[in-house]
Amino acid sequence: AAGVIQSPRHLIKEKRETATLKCYPIPRHDTVYWYQQGPGQDPQFLISFYEKMQSDKGSIPDRFSAQQFSDYHSELNMSSLELGDSALYFCASSSRQYYGYTFGSGTRLTVV
Amino acid sequence: KNQVEQSPQSLIILEGKNCTLQCNYTVSPFSNLRWYKQDTGRGPVSLTIMTFSENTKSNGRYTATLDADTKQSSLHITASQLSDSASYICVVSFTGTASKLTFGTGTRLQVTL
Repeated sequence: AAGVIQSPRHLIKEKRETATLKCYPIPRHDTVYWYQQGPGQDPQFLISFYEKMQSDKGSIPDRFSAQQFSDYHSELNMSSLELGDSALYFCASSSRQYYGYTFGSGTRLTVV
Repeated sequence: KNQVEQSPQSLIILEGKNCTLQCNYTVSPFSNLRWYKQDTGRGPVSLTIMTFSENTKSNGRYTATLDADTKQSSLHITASQLSDSASYICVVSFTGTASKLTFGTGTRLQVTL
């Protein structure tokens, strides 16, 4: 069965660079969520989208932005990267019509 | 392969009734288990987090249990309210060279009048 696809799996960036993480939800899922998990920490909710509109916002820094496209995939754009941005970034998708809530395997971002 | 399975997939109960959600995992070696409540499109709300040595933990009307021997956890909701309608996600963490979470697919709970 198709799962939530995140790319890239690993990413190494230098301070002050930019990064773009991509998330491809389960087919027919209309809602996408982004989470950040720092080393040894609980996952922190960043932002979510429903039908290409932002539906909720969590602890997402102003340096980050995200959007959901017409094909429902989502991108998390991160600028002016800081060492503290090093984390595992999870994407999840769900549907208001069908059951199931699926997480991707995550993108591990390392800022050096 | 580390897996987390939740049941039932969906559940409809009357307001005021109790219910129990199940989470079975094959994650090893186990570190901790979390239950989250998530409204569709919204951020998750942490309900409980349990380590290997804890058998039960309560948070208001929510009580989570953990049996590390059988690798099972349950979330019991007492005197349900309409606002309990949401998805409940079980998330298991395992130890290793890097912190890693394995997510269940959730149980969608609907509380009706």
